[in-house]
This record gives sequence, C-alpha cells and structure tokens, in this order.
Amino acid sequence: GAVVSQHPSRVICKSGTSVKIECRSLDFQATTMFWYRQFPKQSLMLMATSNEGSKATYEQGVEKDKFLINHASLTLSTLTVTSAHPEDSSFYICSASPETSGGLGEQFFGPGTRLTVL
Amino acid sequence: DAKTTQPPSMDCAEGRAANLPCNHSTISGNEYVYWYRQIHSQGPQYIIHGLKNNETNEMASLIITEDRKSSTLILPHATLRDTAVYYCIVSPTGFQKLVFGTGTRLLVSP
Repeated sequence: GAVVSQHPSRVICKSGTSVKIECRSLDFQATTMFWYRQFPKQSLMLMATSNEGSKATYEQGVEKDKFLINHASLTLSTLTVTSAHPEDSSFYICSASPETSGGLGEQFFGPGTRLTVL
Repeated sequence: DAKTTQPPSMDCAEGRAANLPCNHSTISGNEYVYWYRQIHSQGPQYIIHGLKNNETNEMASLIITEDRKSSTLILPHATLRDTAVYYCIVSPTGFQKLVFGTGTRLLVSP
C-alpha cells in the first residue's frame, strides 16, 4: 500500500517556541491531506483539512493562527504549532488518499509525531 | 457524517476468530463502511472497506447486513499482534475527512 511519512517522530520543545511537523506522501500524490490530534487514551480528533494550493479548512475550536498548515505541493503538507504550550502536547497524525484512487479507496496514515512541550 | 456504535472492549483467545460488531443505523446510501485499527502509539492502519457486499482481503473479512445498518469485522485467526483499537467509520469516499469514534479495544490473549 501507499506510504505516508512524518518528520520528526518525536519532538520536545520549550514553552513559547514553534514546532514544524512534516507530512509526506512518498509514492503517491494527494490534493488533500488531513491532520489529526490524539490525546492520551482518547480517539483521534480531526484538526484541519489541508488543501494543496489553497487555505486549510479548520474544524470548529481549532485556532488557525496557532496551528499553521501549508500544503505547498502534492506530496507535502506541514503543520506548525506556534507559541507551543504544555497543553499542546499530543500525538499529531496526518493522512492522505491517493488521487488515482478517485476517492474510492482508503486513507493512509502517517506514523504520527509525539510533541512534548515543557 | 453518520455515527457508529462499537463495544468499548472485547477479548479474544489467540488463534480464534475475533468478531467485532459495529452499528451504523443512520448510514446513507452513498457511504462506505471503513475499518481501521490503531496499535499503541502508531498511526491508524487501514484494514478493509465495503459498500454493500461482503469483502475479504488478506487481513480480514467484512460482513455488512442487507439493510446496511450494521457490520462485523472478522479476524479469522487472531494473533497477539492484532491487539489494538479497532475503528469502524462510515464515509462517502476516501477523500473525505474521517470521524473517529471511540472504537473497540481488542485484547488478544495467549
């Protein structure tokens, strides 16, 4: 199956700093990618839909100025957590579906990025 | 998006079949049933999906009732590595955002 990678896999940062997380589709192109967040012992919560060449669509309650999303190419989306605080510590996961599937197939998920804000 | 209901947890003995149920009584005619699983601290893994007919692949079988209001994921010979949280999701296409419920935590024991 198709592969989605994320970098870094783990990051620890100080409160107030910004952290960038990359999501890449390694062997397929994706116009749309999704960003999820998962707190311990909870389910995945969709944060935003990343659209190549246009603005991201954020879910209700997600601050767009805090979680900056850039989808500059058909294989790369980035999520930047700006001015991170301890409550932003979470597991961030991206997903994408190949354009060639015509939307009839599955989404592929990255391995996730564990962010810890001290 | 249609909602799904799954039991919070299930146990299964290694080597036996694991049958995971899912209710999706408000599913629309154009919505597929997708199953994913998440092993601890990893991204979700796709298992199988279907619209009306039963489906089988190398990982599992998906049985969808005729009225499409419920489905069952079958792992024919569960192994310890199948211990995970299993999510049943309905979505019109793979391009759409997926709404994750609480899933079923399957524990496979020796």
